[in-house]
Amino acid sequence: QKEVEQNSGPLSVPEGAIASLNCTYSDRGSQSFFWYRQYSGKSPELIMSIYSNGDKEDGRFTAQLNKASQYVSLLIRDSQPSDSATYLCASRDNYGQNFVFGPGTRLSVLP
Amino acid sequence: EAGVAQSPRYKIIEKRQSVAFWCNPISGHATLYWYQQILGQGPKLLIQFQNNGVVDDSQLPKDRFSAERLKGVDSTLKIQPAKLEDSAVYLCASSQTRGSSGNTIYFGEGSWLTVV
Repeated sequence: QKEVEQNSGPLSVPEGAIASLNCTYSDRGSQSFFWYRQYSGKSPELIMSIYSNGDKEDGRFTAQLNKASQYVSLLIRDSQPSDSATYLCASRDNYGQNFVFGPGTRLSVLP
Repeated sequence: EAGVAQSPRYKIIEKRQSVAFWCNPISGHATLYWYQQILGQGPKLLIQFQNNGVVDDSQLPKDRFSAERLKGVDSTLKIQPAKLEDSAVYLCASSQTRGSSGNTIYFGEGSWLTVV
């Protein structure tokens, strides 16, 4: 069974701080990884994707991938109250058979 | 570019009744997914289509759920008869060819089902 694990939270950080969200996956065949943000009552929206080991930066967001440890993380710098949402980690294998989602981590950025 | 369209947005039914959800994917997207998201959980794949063929339906409760994608575009997900535990958001998503690692999936707004 392919699984993606995340701490459910809530993770609370003060405004302006760095929020660190973590994710582990069980399927070593997973090749692509995605972070989605989901506001309450809304559908998930893509924040970032990462395919290679190392860091990938996009604005205030940095995704990190370590395939040897089967670990993916998302750092949000200068956190804003508008970042308060649930963050879903997802993996996909090389054949694109399906996307497996984790349970999500609820982030709360306190003003 | 228009996004993934879903309807109805909200539905309340009594248990043992039936319900159907409709999805129109992003134009040109060959792969269509139906996910079930129960409150507080991540999306769970119910069924994946590649054009009009089923790629994965291993987690679809086939005794009550059915889905089709005639002509490889629109799709319908049906639940009959509904149970209380089917209360969830049903998310339709689409992506381009499933074989490309660069493709991600895009979600519709979801269809919220409450079974009472």
